[in-house]
Amino acid sequence: NAGVTQTPKFQVLKTGQSMTLQCAQDMNHNSMYWYRQDPGMGLRLIYYSASEGTTDKGEVPNGYNVSRLNKREFSLRLESAAPSQTSVYFCASSEKLAGGPETQYFGPGTRLLVL
Amino acid sequence: GNSVTQMEGPVTLSEEAFLTINCTYTATGYPSLFWYVQYPGEGLQLLLKATKADDKGSNKGFEATYRKETTSFHLEKGSVQVSDSAVYFCALSDNTNAGKSTFGDGTTLTVKP
Repeated sequence: NAGVTQTPKFQVLKTGQSMTLQCAQDMNHNSMYWYRQDPGMGLRLIYYSASEGTTDKGEVPNGYNVSRLNKREFSLRLESAAPSQTSVYFCASSEKLAGGPETQYFGPGTRLLVL
Repeated sequence: GNSVTQMEGPVTLSEEAFLTINCTYTATGYPSLFWYVQYPGEGLQLLLKATKADDKGSNKGFEATYRKETTSFHLEKGSVQVSDSAVYFCALSDNTNAGKSTFGDGTTLTVKP
C-alpha cells in the first residue's frame, strides 16, 4: 500500500514552460486535492476533486488546470510557468469513515523552481 | 468562512520541556479538528483528531482537547524529544464541503538536546 505518490520529486522550469505534476492514490478515496506550500503561508488549496469526473477551484487556482483522470489519479498542469509558481506542491486524498471525520493523506511533495 | 489561527513560531525548546502550541478556529456548524505534523522533506501526516466538543485526541504523547466554548484545540506534550522537531499544522473540516480542510499557517518546533 503506497498511499499517495507524486512525480516528479523535484523540477526546474524556465518561465513560460509547461509541465504536469502527477498524483496517484491506492486507497480508493473519492476526494483528492492539490495544495501549494510557501514559507509563512501554510497550505493553500489550488483545486480539489470530490469524486471521479468532478473538479472545483480552491483558494488559488489561477495559472493551473487539473484533470481527474480516474478515481486513482489527479494531475496538476502549469500551462505557462511563472516565477511566482515556485513552491512545494502537495497532493492529498481523503476518506470519511462512518461516524468519523474526513482525514487527509498527503503525498511527499514536488519541489518546483521556476527561473 | 472557516479559518484557523495558530500561535506564531518558531518555537525552540530544550529536550524534556513542556510544549503548548495554541490553535483557535472560526467555523460554522460543528467542525472536526486535527493536528498534522510535517517532518523535514516530507508531506503532512495526521497526528491526532477530535470530532466533537470535549473530545481529546492523543497520539505519541501529544494531546489536544476540543474546546467549543473557547473555539480552541491547543496541542500539548509533557516532555518533548529531539525527534519531535517538525512543523505542526492545526486544521478543521466542516464535514460538509467535499472533505475540504482549512489549515493554519503551521508552527515550527525545534527541540535541542
